[in-house]
Amino acid sequence: DQQVKQNSPSLSVQEGRISILNCDYTNSMFDYFLWYKKYPAEGPTFLISISSIKDKNEDGRFTVFLNKSAKHLSLHIVPSQPGDSAVYFCAATRAGNNRKLIWGLGTSLAVNP
Amino acid sequence: NAGVTQTPKFQVLKTGQSMTLQCAQDMNHEYMSWYRQDPGMGLRLIHYSVGAGITDQGEVPNGYNVSRSTTEDFPLRLLSAAPSQTSVYFCASSRSGGNIQYFGAGTRLSVL
Repeated sequence: DQQVKQNSPSLSVQEGRISILNCDYTNSMFDYFLWYKKYPAEGPTFLISISSIKDKNEDGRFTVFLNKSAKHLSLHIVPSQPGDSAVYFCAATRAGNNRKLIWGLGTSLAVNP
Repeated sequence: NAGVTQTPKFQVLKTGQSMTLQCAQDMNHEYMSWYRQDPGMGLRLIHYSVGAGITDQGEVPNGYNVSRSTTEDFPLRLLSAAPSQTSVYFCASSRSGGNIQYFGAGTRLSVL
C-alpha cells in the first residue's frame, strides 16, 4: 500500500529546459512534504520542502507546488542542468508521527547537454 | 562538519555471520533512524530513536537490533545475516521537532 507515489520511474530533459517531477499521496493527514536528491553511491540529500499550509515554495531554480485537493505535489527545476541528473525522492510526514518519513520510489532524472 | 558518518562503506558477509553497522552524527540531533534501500522498494524504515535510551521499530525491523546509549551513536546490529538482508543501508538524523533528515553516505551490504 504505497501512500506516496511517484508514477514516473524516469524522466529525460534537455539542458536549459524545465524538469517537472510529480508525486501523489493518499493520506490526507500528511502535513509536510519533502524532496530529496540522490546521486549514485551517496546518501539522499535534502532539496526543498513545503508545509501543507502553503501551496508553493521556491528556492533558486527549484520550486515545489502543492495541490492538497488533488493530493499532488510537483517539483519544478528551471533551468535544468546536467548536474541535476540524479534520483529524486518525494517524502511525506504528519504531525505526531515521530518524524517518520513515508517515501516514494523515486524518479530518475537525466538532463542531457 | 562531518554530519552523519557511516562505517563501513562496503561489507560482504556469509549467511549466519553477525556484524554491526556504525552510525555517528556530530550535529547533536536527537532523532536518528536506519533505512534500507532495495531496487523497486524505495527507502524503508528499519528502526528509529527519538533520543538516547529510546528506540522503536519501523516498517521492517525483523533481523535487526539497535541501541542508543549516546546522542551521537546509533549502531545497527545484524545478529545472523541472511541473503534477504543484502541491501544498501542508510542512517539519518534530525533535530528534535524537525522534519528534515540528514543522511549518511550508506553501507552496501552483501550476504552470500
